[in-house]
Amino acid sequence: GAGVSQSPSNKVTEKGKDVELRCDPISGHTALYWYRQSLGQGLEFLIYFQGNSAPDKSGLPSDRFSAERTGGSVSTLTIQRTQQEDSAVYLCASSLRQGFGYTFGSGTRLTVV
Amino acid sequence: AQSVTQLGSHVSVSEGALVLLRCNYSSSVPPYLFWYVQYPNQGLQLLLKYTSAATLVKGINGFEAEFKKSETSFHLTKPSAHMSDAAEYFCAVSDFNFGNEKLTFGTGTRLTIIP
Repeated sequence: GAGVSQSPSNKVTEKGKDVELRCDPISGHTALYWYRQSLGQGLEFLIYFQGNSAPDKSGLPSDRFSAERTGGSVSTLTIQRTQQEDSAVYLCASSLRQGFGYTFGSGTRLTVV
Repeated sequence: AQSVTQLGSHVSVSEGALVLLRCNYSSSVPPYLFWYVQYPNQGLQLLLKYTSAATLVKGINGFEAEFKKSETSFHLTKPSAHMSDAAEYFCAVSDFNFGNEKLTFGTGTRLTIIP
């Protein structure tokens, strides 16, 4: 597609439920990143994919968070047993090459009630 | 570790006036530096980037930034503000390591344009 697509755009879930957030990067972009944006913490790095592998998972806040990428394309971020502090906007970005900067998606706004 | 400081969480300027948004960075290696803009309920859009070529970088929408190593700064400017410039602006530094371009962002500056 022309841009980075994220779905759903909004998600409200009950505390304790699992959620899956999807990212469809720009075709041909091998690098994919997930960030979280929240009022208290600003923009935080979560995970980096190069192709289907994730050499840097250092930003995942706990073992309730996981992510995968398949076919060098679509990525899914999964949050298990959601907590209220997980409420945030989750942003995905992809990049063609180092130094080019990212293209961000519009994000998924997650609200845990 | 890399870090970015944006001075001023809120900046207001009159339409037609100079826009100056401040960014200072800390990096142990020559940095890659970026400015992103975020409009309400949207993702971030790349305004411009510094990747060790020219120190004065021109971006989209009339914005530019100058890399000053001696001051560890990368301030964003625009000569004449337009109403459409109202948004939140983020400075970021790249922790560039074997293809991993993980970004460390500043806390953002919300720009308001006064008609």
